Amino acid sequence: EAGVVQSPRYKIIEKKQPVAFWCNPISGHNTLYWYRQNLGQGPELLIRYENEEAVDDSQLPKDRFSAERLKGVDSTLKIQPAELGDSAVYLCASSSPLSGRETQYFGPGTRLLVL
Amino acid sequence: AQSVTQLGSHVSVSEGALVLLRCNYSSSVPPYLFWYVQYPNQGLQLLLKYTSAATLVKGINGFEAEFKKSETSFHLTKPSAHMSDAAEYFCAVSVPDKLIFGTGTRLQVFP
Repeated sequence: EAGVVQSPRYKIIEKKQPVAFWCNPISGHNTLYWYRQNLGQGPELLIRYENEEAVDDSQLPKDRFSAERLKGVDSTLKIQPAELGDSAVYLCASSSPLSGRETQYFGPGTRLLVL
Repeated sequence: AQSVTQLGSHVSVSEGALVLLRCNYSSSVPPYLFWYVQYPNQGLQLLLKYTSAATLVKGINGFEAEFKKSETSFHLTKPSAHMSDAAEYFCAVSVPDKLIFGTGTRLQVFP
């Protein structure tokens, strides 16, 4: 079974530029999460999707961050414009009621550096 | 509110020695608890999870953890460390539909 796929793995941009991250969850997993992991910290949830609906985006900085999951499968997280403080690892995870809804499986992450 | 505290941001052991990584949780309801491992430049891999069944949980790579309600702890252990165990370890508690992570413990294994 293929795991969670994320791309790109690394991204370096200058501040004020836009950037986008892509995630493809495990097949059949209807719940998708985006987390941000700052250096030396644990991941923190940004947004959770149930199929195509964003059901928890309370921690998403909506002035510059946006996300979509149009067909309820893969998802894109966008930052526009990026700030220096956005440098972090962006992790995507997925889960399914069939494999234990509470158990999340993580992708390799996208490491973002904003200069 | 649910939270986890990992005691010790760095732990160093010799190869073959016991590994003990500490995690204490705070939860107003019976918790689901997890340990994840993160190797350099990689995502998080599930080591083991406690979901209110057996209090001693066995995971991958020889790791296990014991849920102790009286101590609100979920410490991770491995009898004999291997060089390949060097990584960052995260304890997490599940609140409805999201995970709350600790700040992580970096494990170093010396030959």
